[in-house]
Amino acid sequence: DAMVIQNPRYQVTQFGKPVTLSCSQTLNHNVMYWYQQKSSQAPKLLFHYYDKDFNNEADTPDNFQSRRPNTSFCFLDIRSPGLGDAAMYLCATSGGLASYEQYFGPGTRLTVT
Amino acid sequence: GNSVTQMEGPVTLSEEAFLTINCTYTATGYPSLFWYVQYPGEGLQLLLKATKADDKGSNKGFEATYRKETTSFHLEKGSVQVSDSAVYFCALAPSGNTPLVFGKGTRLSVIA
Repeated sequence: DAMVIQNPRYQVTQFGKPVTLSCSQTLNHNVMYWYQQKSSQAPKLLFHYYDKDFNNEADTPDNFQSRRPNTSFCFLDIRSPGLGDAAMYLCATSGGLASYEQYFGPGTRLTVT
Repeated sequence: GNSVTQMEGPVTLSEEAFLTINCTYTATGYPSLFWYVQYPGEGLQLLLKATKADDKGSNKGFEATYRKETTSFHLEKGSVQVSDSAVYFCALAPSGNTPLVFGKGTRLSVIA
């Protein structure tokens, strides 16, 4: 089945130690999104790519960066994680003609110690 | 701007009770509307959608109708089950392939 895959599902990192979360998709969608979600609150958009066109939300901290080397993969880099960055990170995709819905991966839960 | 307002939770119901979760929106143009469900420890799953006025989305016994006149997209289910316990998010897409605008989510707990 076509899907959105996130690895790892659970990630533990130390305060200030860089960490990378990965997302891959087999849907061949041209748009990919990264969201941060805390405590079942609404997901908060961090970035999205329309093909290789990178779009950064105005309030996304500089500590967060993203890379999309090809259509299938997208990475979220947290350069110096703080305790406040502990959250669920969700990757989503959308694509196709007049396609409005987003397809989400299972998420990566990040713990910062 | 675009925004979504949904009823505050948590909502606790007995099994087989009727469910309504209210959702209203503000948008320019003609957005598409969605309900997503999130089970504990998982990502969001699309539950149902409607892309134009008077469309009814339905899935797994859940329904919602796109009401342009009242700018609403209320989620309903006639008889809930324990397995429906989750957080439900109402969302809109202003246009294709643009970020979704989410409501704050409503936690539903169904007890046997």
